[in-house]
Amino acid sequence: GESVGLHLPTLSVQEGDNSIINCAYSNSASDYFIWYKQESGKGPQFIIDIRSNMDKRQGQRVTVLLNKTVKHLSLQIAATQPGDSAVYFCAENPPGNQFYFGTGTSLTVIP
Amino acid sequence: KAGVTQTPRYLIKTRGQQVTLSCSPISGHRSVSWYQQTPGQGLQFLFEYFSETQRNKGNFPGRFSGRQFSNSRSEMNVSTLELGDSALYLCASSLVTGTAYEQYFGPGTRLTVT
Repeated sequence: GESVGLHLPTLSVQEGDNSIINCAYSNSASDYFIWYKQESGKGPQFIIDIRSNMDKRQGQRVTVLLNKTVKHLSLQIAATQPGDSAVYFCAENPPGNQFYFGTGTSLTVIP
Repeated sequence: KAGVTQTPRYLIKTRGQQVTLSCSPISGHRSVSWYQQTPGQGLQFLFEYFSETQRNKGNFPGRFSGRQFSNSRSEMNVSTLELGDSALYLCASSLVTGTAYEQYFGPGTRLTVT
């Protein structure tokens, strides 16, 4: 049937807990990935990236894991804070091509 | 350094009119991509410009066009606006094209077509 709108996966976590947001990508040739955070009324904000020659990359309070075998990305946020509430997107980049974006996950942090 | 800027931030137009949106990339960035974001379709790629040349194009009708100037600033134009064109239009800039480099977004232009 015809899609009437995106149904974003949602995740609710308690403040201070760790969050894990998952993303399945589609192109096995994609060699670069970015996680973005988008707050209401704003443009997507770059969080962290990873290249396909890596399995894991850490930033400040965030870690991205890449599993190329099953074409899966995850974003882990440590000690989640209310300011982390937003929609999170993953983006994949096949070589020489545009970025393709996932539908996003809405994260709500409960104080 | 300054981020990606987009003007105007908000726009209300009537069906049948045309609109031009502007994007200034991060200083030194030569690639500019445009996206349409709607609740129904998510983030959809419109086109990418690099060194004043369109490098990639998404699956949008010819009413959507763009260009890039020698200073890397870019504009996109939508002619004969339809109600379905109401969306957040996002511009993203990157240092280079065709390879794995960070892409940074602007705040977007919210277009409402009535």
